[in-house]
Amino acid sequence: AQSVTQLGSHVSVSEGALVLLRCNYSSSVPPYLFWYVQYPNQGLQLLLKYTTGATLVKGINGFEAEFKKSETSFHLTKPSAHMSDAAEYFCAVRGSSASKIIFGSGTRLSIRP
Amino acid sequence: DGGITQSPKYLFRKEGQNVTLSCEQNLNHDAMYWYRQDPGQGLRLIYYSQIVNDFQKGDIAEGYSVSREKKESFPLTVTSAQKNPTAFYLCASSIERAGVNTEAFFGQGTRLTVV
Repeated sequence: AQSVTQLGSHVSVSEGALVLLRCNYSSSVPPYLFWYVQYPNQGLQLLLKYTTGATLVKGINGFEAEFKKSETSFHLTKPSAHMSDAAEYFCAVRGSSASKIIFGSGTRLSIRP
Repeated sequence: DGGITQSPKYLFRKEGQNVTLSCEQNLNHDAMYWYRQDPGQGLRLIYYSQIVNDFQKGDIAEGYSVSREKKESFPLTVTSAQKNPTAFYLCASSIERAGVNTEAFFGQGTRLTVV
């Protein structure tokens, strides 16, 4: 069975600071991994997804994530936070291309001026 | 434009009434999903369907029902048996292709409030 744990329900950083959102996964097979962003009262938008072979994945809006199999982690980073990055971020996993997608509980990112 | 359309955006229901949330996609995706979102609990899977006329229960299916008579449509009925239906409901769809990591595409959600 697959599962996802997001550490920290709320992260606050200053504008221009590094953003680090943590995600650990559990999967009995090589996983498919995703990061999504959600703005208030909207659906989810894909930021990036992990495809086997590339451990560093680049996404939209300057975000990237690094897949570390030894640590079962897929943390999301952005070198310099912008006010527009304030949103809720979800890590997700699926065990195969034909299985359901499981989401973490989400991390709300706040940006201080 | 291709995408997923959920309607209505806001829905009010009296206690004891059934209500149906609409989800339509024109992306030609095989799989469709319904998630429920509550503050601090992330997205919880209600039902999913990988092919027409077939669907599986997710983690919180009690009090909900679905149908998948057409590839494009996956309506969710919230029945009176659902004890706490007030939530934000999200519909999603994805391609099912062996060996390929395909993401889910989401609609804009329906906020259901029981009054």
